[in-house]
Amino acid sequence: NAGVTQTPKFRVLKTGQSMTLLCAQDMNHEYMYWYRQDPGMGLRLIHYSVGEGTTAKGEVPDGYNVSRLKKQNFLLGLESAAPSQTSVYFCASSYTGLVSNQPQHFGDGTRLSIL
Amino acid sequence: LAKTTQPISMDSYEGQEVNITCSHNNIATNDYITWYQQFPSQGPRFIIQGYKTKVTNEVASLFIPADRKSSTLSLPRVSLSDTAVYYCLVVGTDKLIFGTGTRLQVFP
Repeated sequence: NAGVTQTPKFRVLKTGQSMTLLCAQDMNHEYMYWYRQDPGMGLRLIHYSVGEGTTAKGEVPDGYNVSRLKKQNFLLGLESAAPSQTSVYFCASSYTGLVSNQPQHFGDGTRLSIL
Repeated sequence: LAKTTQPISMDSYEGQEVNITCSHNNIATNDYITWYQQFPSQGPRFIIQGYKTKVTNEVASLFIPADRKSSTLSLPRVSLSDTAVYYCLVVGTDKLIFGTGTRLQVFP
């Protein structure tokens, strides 16, 4: 049981390049989330999904797109990377979501640098 | 927009009790308060969650006063391995607000 797995773990991009971060969970969770973590700012929600085929915007969605084609996978895309998107990205999942007492399970993050 | 505020850092010694407080203004009636622990190069890990009054599990206690505008995570008898960053999280309808984190350093 791997929990939440994020790939890749590290990546360096040039400004304007695109890439996709992959999150996979094997716990049959309905809800999945993408966060970014920057020094001194905690974790900020980018997008989330309440089930297969659904997505919703979080606190900082600009510059990102997401897709949830399969229940176990949640993809985060950067169409045209900018230096301001240099951050550590965390994926999480939970059995149920907002307004519930189900905790989130996090992956170990993807460290993304944009030059 | 709800905002959560935590002290930036705290120091303690092994064996002491540590209390970390989180202030959350504009918390809604149905919002839950959750605390996570994070070690370097790892994702946050769930510690405890509560709605009101007091919750206790095998590793921590969570105190929430009646007005629910703050919450206190209590770690009894900390050890060196408790050195980490601790985050509070307010969870509600269309809301997931993390605090900025408290870096706890435990000394021998």
